[in-house]
Amino acid sequence: QVQLVQSGAEVKQPGASVKVSCETSGYTFTNYDVIWVRQASGQGLEWMGWMNPESGNTGYARKFQGRVSMTRNISINTAYMELSGLESEDTAVYYCARGPRFLLYGDFWGQGTPVALSS
Amino acid sequence: EIVLTQSPGTLSLSPGERATLSCRASQSISSNYLAWYQQKPGQAPRLLIYGASTTAAGISDRFSGSGSGTDFTLTITRLQPEDFAVYYCQQYGSSPRNFGPGTKVDVK
Repeated sequence: QVQLVQSGAEVKQPGASVKVSCETSGYTFTNYDVIWVRQASGQGLEWMGWMNPESGNTGYARKFQGRVSMTRNISINTAYMELSGLESEDTAVYYCARGPRFLLYGDFWGQGTPVALSS
Repeated sequence: EIVLTQSPGTLSLSPGERATLSCRASQSISSNYLAWYQQKPGQAPRLLIYGASTTAAGISDRFSGSGSGTDFTLTITRLQPEDFAVYYCQQYGSSPRNFGPGTKVDVK
C-alpha cells in the first residue's frame, strides 16, 4: 500500500534551517510528483511547492522562493524539504503528499512534521 | 493567482442531513482541476474528489462533487458522525495551486 512517512518533530531557533524528510513506499517513486503543504495551528492549508522526483524539477510558491529547497534521493525513495531563515511565522505542521504527474493534488499524504521555533 | 473562497465558514447540521459546501474561484479553473479534501483534528488531509467530480478511491458514494469554471460544490448526503470535519478545496490548474480557507461542518 502507498505510504509516505515523514521525519519527526523539530524545534529550531530563529534564523536556523529545517530539513524534513518524506520516505515513500508502495509505488514507483519517480512516477509521481511530491507536493509540500504546511498548516499553522488552527489555520488552513498553505501550498509550498512541488518536485518531480524523476527530473528533479521543482516549483515553489512565490512566498517561499529563495528560502525553500525541495530535493530527493531516488535510491531510498525519499523526498526532502528544507526551509531556511526560519521565523516565528514558520511554526507549523509540514506535510508531504504524492501528486499525480503534472496534476499536483495530493492523493496520499504523510502524517505531518511539526516544526516549532524557540529562542 | 487564483483565489478560492469557501462558504459557509461553518455549517451546523445534524446526522442524517445533507451538507452542501461551496468553493468559488476568482477566475475560471483550467480543465476543472479542482480537488476537495477532508481534514479531522490532528490528522493529515484526505482526498475526497479530484477533477471537480471524480470520487477518489475508497471514498463513500455519499460524497459527490460538481461544478465548472468558477463555481464548485461538494455535497455530502446523509451525514454520518465521522463526516464532521473541515473541508478544503484546492485548484491545481495554475500556479500557485492554492487552497480555499475551509468550511467546518459541525454538529448542530
